[in-house]
Amino acid sequence: DVKVTQSSRYLVKRTGEKVFLECVQDMDHENMFWYRQDPGLGLRLIYFSYDVKMKEKGDIPEGYSVSREKKERFSLILESASTNQTSMYLCASQSPDGLNYEQYFGPGTRLTVT
Amino acid sequence: DQQVKQNSPSLSVQEGRISILNCDYTNSMFDYFLWYKKYPAEGPTFLISISSIKDKNEDGRFTVFLNKSAKHLSLHIVPSQPGDSAVYFCAASVIFSSGSARQLTFGSGTQLTVLP
Repeated sequence: DVKVTQSSRYLVKRTGEKVFLECVQDMDHENMFWYRQDPGLGLRLIYFSYDVKMKEKGDIPEGYSVSREKKERFSLILESASTNQTSMYLCASQSPDGLNYEQYFGPGTRLTVT
Repeated sequence: DQQVKQNSPSLSVQEGRISILNCDYTNSMFDYFLWYKKYPAEGPTFLISISSIKDKNEDGRFTVFLNKSAKHLSLHIVPSQPGDSAVYFCAASVIFSSGSARQLTFGSGTQLTVLP
């Protein structure tokens, strides 16, 4: 079974703080993704990475950066957290050779910025 | 501009009846479609998929239908069970413009409630 874990289930941070969200997968997948989920908007792609140190912007990258130093780990960084970044953050991994192109998701991190 | 739309935020059905969840898309480059199921406090899990070269795919109680000309797909659950109560996301796949990976574009989700 693919396992994707995220460092925190719930996080409360203050406006202006630097926030790190960590994601680890155990299936040796090349591709990893960060999404945010908001009511009525579904899942929106922030960034993805297709290899170590390789990254591409998704649909809503503003205010975020990412880091992938090791294949199994993909970090999302909020350089200066703002209240409009309060959301559910979901990490996913994917094998480029996967039969259904499916992505495997972690349990999510509920981030509140006050 | 949402490329994948689920116009029904919620749906309630009686246990044992059919649940039909709908999804529309606008990008004709999408060539693979997936349905995910999400329980509260958990990440989405893959349910069923369909390639654009097919019009139907079945897996047990779950069937996905694709109408390419209408850019419409639907998920049928028969018979519906209380454990099926969850948020269902439709997703459409296309290769990133850089060619580096396959992107999933998600709809906004439909909350299905199956009443006992």
